[in-house]
Amino acid sequence: NAGVTQTPKFQVLKTGQSMTLQCAQDMNHEYMSWYRQDPGMGLRLIHYSVGAGITDQGEVPNGYNVSRSTTEDFPLRLLSAAPSQTSVYFCASSSPAAGRDEQFFGPGTRLTVL
Amino acid sequence: AQSVTQPDIHITVSEGASLELRCNYSYGATPYLFWYVQSPGQGLQLLLKYFSGDTLVQGIKGFEAEFKRSQSSFNLRKPSVHWSDAAEYFCAVGATGGGNKLTFGTGTQLKVEL
Repeated sequence: NAGVTQTPKFQVLKTGQSMTLQCAQDMNHEYMSWYRQDPGMGLRLIHYSVGAGITDQGEVPNGYNVSRSTTEDFPLRLLSAAPSQTSVYFCASSSPAAGRDEQFFGPGTRLTVL
Repeated sequence: AQSVTQPDIHITVSEGASLELRCNYSYGATPYLFWYVQSPGQGLQLLLKYFSGDTLVQGIKGFEAEFKRSQSSFNLRKPSVHWSDAAEYFCAVGATGGGNKLTFGTGTQLKVEL
């Protein structure tokens, strides 16, 4: 099992550009989430999904879109990047049937918006 | 809304000394509580978790944590710290049955002096 994979590992964007952060998991987990990590603020939930076709907003959803067409993939889209979106982004997956909601995290994507 | 407070931003201990990292949570019902560790440039690794039952939980790498409902605390402890324990530690609370919606504390950076 590869677990949770994220691509790219690093990305630099200019203000106004768009991009998609990829996240995939091979554990057949129902739940997937996106978090951003900023210094001194811990991790904050952006969007989450409880299954294919179902997504919802977390604490800081503005400026981000998600979709969940398959169980395995949960891409995060930045439609018009802003410097405030400079952060490290983590994708996570979990299943209520496996370890009572323990989340497994990917290695992260470090995004810089100039 | 649930919240987590980690009052110590930085902690420095000598190798071989004992360690306690503090975590206080706010949640209306029985919480799911987690401790994660993050090494520089890495993702998050689960150290231990509490859902119910015995209030003293054992985790990996010799860590343990005690759930105290009366104090709304879930402090992390280790009897003897190793230099490799230097990392950032995050406490998190999850809604009952909603493992994909974690609320994290702001983290405690641990430095280990040789």
